[in-house]
Amino acid sequence: GNSVTQMEGPVTLSEEAFLTINCTYTATGYPSLFWYVQYPGEGLQLLLKATKADDKGSNKGFEATYRKETTSFHLEKGSVQVSDSAVYFCALFTGGFKTIFGAGTRLFVKA
Amino acid sequence: DAMVIQNPRYQVTQFGKPVTLSCSQTLNHNVMYWYQQKSSQAPKLLFHYYDKDFNNEADTPDNFQSRRPNTSFCFLDIRSPGLGDAAMYLCATSRDWGSGSSYEQYFGPGTRLTVT
Repeated sequence: GNSVTQMEGPVTLSEEAFLTINCTYTATGYPSLFWYVQYPGEGLQLLLKATKADDKGSNKGFEATYRKETTSFHLEKGSVQVSDSAVYFCALFTGGFKTIFGAGTRLFVKA
Repeated sequence: DAMVIQNPRYQVTQFGKPVTLSCSQTLNHNVMYWYQQKSSQAPKLLFHYYDKDFNNEADTPDNFQSRRPNTSFCFLDIRSPGLGDAAMYLCATSRDWGSGSSYEQYFGPGTRLTVT
C-alpha cells in the first residue's frame, strides 16, 4: 500500500543552520508530493508541492525535489529562523480522496 | 481572502454530552474533510464529502457523524464523547481530484476539543 516515512524528531537547530528533513515514500503510480507545516495551535498549511518526477517545489526559502529513482522528497532550507519552529508533514496523493501523511517531524530553532 | 473557518476554536464538553463542531469555506471546493489529530501526530481522516456524497473511513467509530447542508458548511457531530475523543479536529477542503489540480488540501485552524 501507499505510505510515507519521514525522519523522527524532534530536530533542534540553531538559527541560520541548514535544515534537512528526510522523506521517502512508497506508492503505486505517480503520486503528487507535498510538505505541509503546522505551527503551534494551528491547522496545517501547504508549504510546497511537486506533481511529477524532477519537479522542485519551493516556498519561503524551503525546497524539495521529487526524486522518483530514490522515492524521496526531502525538505531543505539553507538558513532556518526561530519562526520556522513547527511540525512538518510530508504527504502524498495518488488519486481518490485520500492523502497519506507521514508521522510529522517537529523542528525547534534556537536563537 | 478565501479560507476555511472553524468554530469554535476551543470546545469543552462533558463525557457523554453531544457536541457539534462547525466548518465553513469560501473556496467553493467540492470536497470537504474532517480529520482527528492527537498530539501533533499525523491527521487521521474520519470522513469526507464529495458534494453531497458522504464517505466514511472504515475505522471511524459510529459515534462520529457529519452533515453537509450546502457547499459552504460542514458539521462534525460527536454523539457521546468519551475521554479518548479529546483531540484537535481539523476541517479541510480540496478541489475535485479529477479536475486537473494537484489536489492540495486547505485546512482550517482546527477546534481543540476537551472532554471532562
